[in-house]
Amino acid sequence: GAVVSQHPSRVICKSGTSVKIECRSLDFQATTMFWYRQFPKQSLMLMATSNEGSKATYEQGVEKDKFLINHASLTLSTLTVTSAHPEDSSFYICSASSTNEKLFFGSGTQLSVL
Amino acid sequence: QKEVEQDPGPLSVPEGAIVSLNCTYSNSAFQYFMWYRQYSRKGPELLMYTYSSGNKEDGRFTAQVDKSSKYISLFIRDSQPSDSATYLCAMTGNTGGFKTIFGAGTRLFVKA
Repeated sequence: GAVVSQHPSRVICKSGTSVKIECRSLDFQATTMFWYRQFPKQSLMLMATSNEGSKATYEQGVEKDKFLINHASLTLSTLTVTSAHPEDSSFYICSASSTNEKLFFGSGTQLSVL
Repeated sequence: QKEVEQDPGPLSVPEGAIVSLNCTYSNSAFQYFMWYRQYSRKGPELLMYTYSSGNKEDGRFTAQVDKSSKYISLFIRDSQPSDSATYLCAMTGNTGGFKTIFGAGTRLFVKA
């Protein structure tokens, strides 16, 4: 199957700092990438959809100025959590797709904001 | 009513049992059906992918889709403790945009 690499796997930061998470498709070109948030024992919550070269589409209730998404190439998307606060602590996962039907996921990033 | 319904469990079975996981859905436009396995604090891994109705088998895993009943299943034969994970069903189709909808996930525990 296709490989999606996500880094870092874990990050601890102080409140007020910004954190960048990278998502790369290693062996295919991802026309679309997705960012999710997942709380313990809950399912995936879609935050935003990004298409290469265009602005991301955010789901209702997701602050686009808080969660900056850049999809600069067909293999790389980044999520920046700006001015992070403890309530932003969560598990963030990206997925990528070259077609509309199959999604391949990164390994996730556990963000802890102190 | 949610677009995709999945019992969150937990489901606990003894090693070697046959496991049956299910999802129901309401949107008849869904055509592509997936099952993902997610271990704790890891990203979901694509297990099975099926287009339209029918069965698909891969090793100990069998996926079934019944579009007439809007019902999909994943069967795991000879379950192992390493199968303990959360299983997410997912589906998509030309619903005015190919948006993938996920079930809540079923937590499975296979006891040795």
